Amino acid sequence: TAGITQAPTSQILAAGRSMTLRCTQDMRHNAMYWYRQDLGLGLRLIHYSNTAGTTGKGEVPDGYSVSRANTDDFPLTLASAVPSQTSVYFCASSDYGTGYNEQFFGPGTRLTVL
Amino acid sequence: KNQVEQSPQSLIILEGKNCTLQCNYTVSPFSNLRWYKQDTGRGPVSLTIMTFSENTKSNGRYTATLDADTKQSSLHITASQLSDSASYICVVSEKNYGGATNKLIFGTGTLLAVQP
Repeated sequence: TAGITQAPTSQILAAGRSMTLRCTQDMRHNAMYWYRQDLGLGLRLIHYSNTAGTTGKGEVPDGYSVSRANTDDFPLTLASAVPSQTSVYFCASSDYGTGYNEQFFGPGTRLTVL
Repeated sequence: KNQVEQSPQSLIILEGKNCTLQCNYTVSPFSNLRWYKQDTGRGPVSLTIMTFSENTKSNGRYTATLDADTKQSSLHITASQLSDSASYICVVSEKNYGGATNKLIFGTGTLLAVQP
C-alpha cells in the first residue's frame, strides 16, 4: 500500500507563476488536509476537506485553493506564487468522524519561489 | 491563545542512553495529544495518541505520558538508537463540537541527534 503520495518532490518556481501540488491517497480516507511547514514554526493548516465535494479554510488559506473531486485526490493550487510561499508542503489524510482522527502524512513537496 | 510548546529545542545524546522530551500546552477544549516522529526530508509519522483519560502509552521504546491537569506531556525514549535521530513533534487536538474536524495544534518539535 502506497499510503499518500505527493508530486513533485521539489520545485523551483518563479514568482507570479501558477503551480499545482498533487496529493493522492489509497487508504479510502474521507478527510484530507494540506499543511505547510516553515523553519521555527509548527505545521500550519492551509485547507482541508472532510469528504469528497467539500473543502474548508484552515489557518493560512490566502493565496491557495483546493478542490476535492473524488475521495483519493486533493490538489493544492498556487494561482500566483510569491516568495513567502516558499515552504515544505505536506498532504495528510484521516478517517473523518473517528475519535482519534489520526492523520497520515505524505512525504512532502519542497517549494522554492524566487 | 491555544499553543503547544516543546523543550528542549534540540538534544544530543549518545547511543544507548535514555532521554525525555517535554510538551506543555494551553489548548482547550482538549481532545487528544499525539507525538509524531519526523525524519529529515520525510513526513511526520504517528508514535502515540492519548485521550484525556490516558496517563501513559507505549510504542516499543517510546513511552508517552500525559497529565491533563497540568497540561503537560512527555516522551521518553529508552536505549536510544541512531535511527531515533529525528524531530519529535507534540500535537494537541482541539475538540470541535458540532461535527467539524478537530483542529490540530502543532509544536515546533525537538530535534534529537543520537551519536555513536
